[in-house]
Amino acid sequence: DAGVTQSPTHLIKTRGQQVTLRCSPKSGHDTVSWYQQALGQGPQFIFQYYEEEERQRGNFPDRFSGHQFPNYSSELNVNALLLGDSALYLCASSLRYRQGVGDEQFFGPGTRLTVL
Amino acid sequence: QQQVKQSPQSLIVQKGGIPIINCAYENTAFDYFPWYQQFPGKGPALLIAIRPDVSEKKEGRFTISFNKSAKQFSLHIMDSQPGDSATYFCAAVQSGTYKYIFGTGTRLKVLA
Repeated sequence: DAGVTQSPTHLIKTRGQQVTLRCSPKSGHDTVSWYQQALGQGPQFIFQYYEEEERQRGNFPDRFSGHQFPNYSSELNVNALLLGDSALYLCASSLRYRQGVGDEQFFGPGTRLTVL
Repeated sequence: QQQVKQSPQSLIVQKGGIPIINCAYENTAFDYFPWYQQFPGKGPALLIAIRPDVSEKKEGRFTISFNKSAKQFSLHIMDSQPGDSATYFCAAVQSGTYKYIFGTGTRLKVLA
């Protein structure tokens, strides 16, 4: 049973460019959340997708956008990259909350984005 | 009110010691409190989690203590081993949202 997978592992971009990161959730999961983890910090919630729609959003600008596909996989897009966007981007998957199912969220290995 | 405060920032213990990591929250809507372990270059891995209806939960060498009135919870690692050396994050979430609020992390080093 594959866990959460993310691609690519590492990425180097320059300021102003655009980037797309990809995530496949754990088998059986239908909800994907994205987090940004700056060096030495805890993960910060970016947004969450369920049924192909953005359901919740953290305090991130509109330069951060996403998409969820019918197979539950997801993409994170960042436009007009800034130096401060350099971070580990984590995808987490879960089962949409149902009574008794629980609140567990499982993280992928992340994509390390470096903006020069 | 959305913050989760975690301490200490770093911790060094001898093998066999019991490191304790503390977290505090303000938002009383939070009702699920997981702990994650993260090794360098890896994603966070779920260790153990607790809900406010119990004051303590044990899984293997890991124990969470929860004080609902103080809005604090802590992780204890019994008989710590060098392989436990990692960064530990507490988190808090309102059930059903999956919008985790993480602490700032504690870097643990267990000396052989």
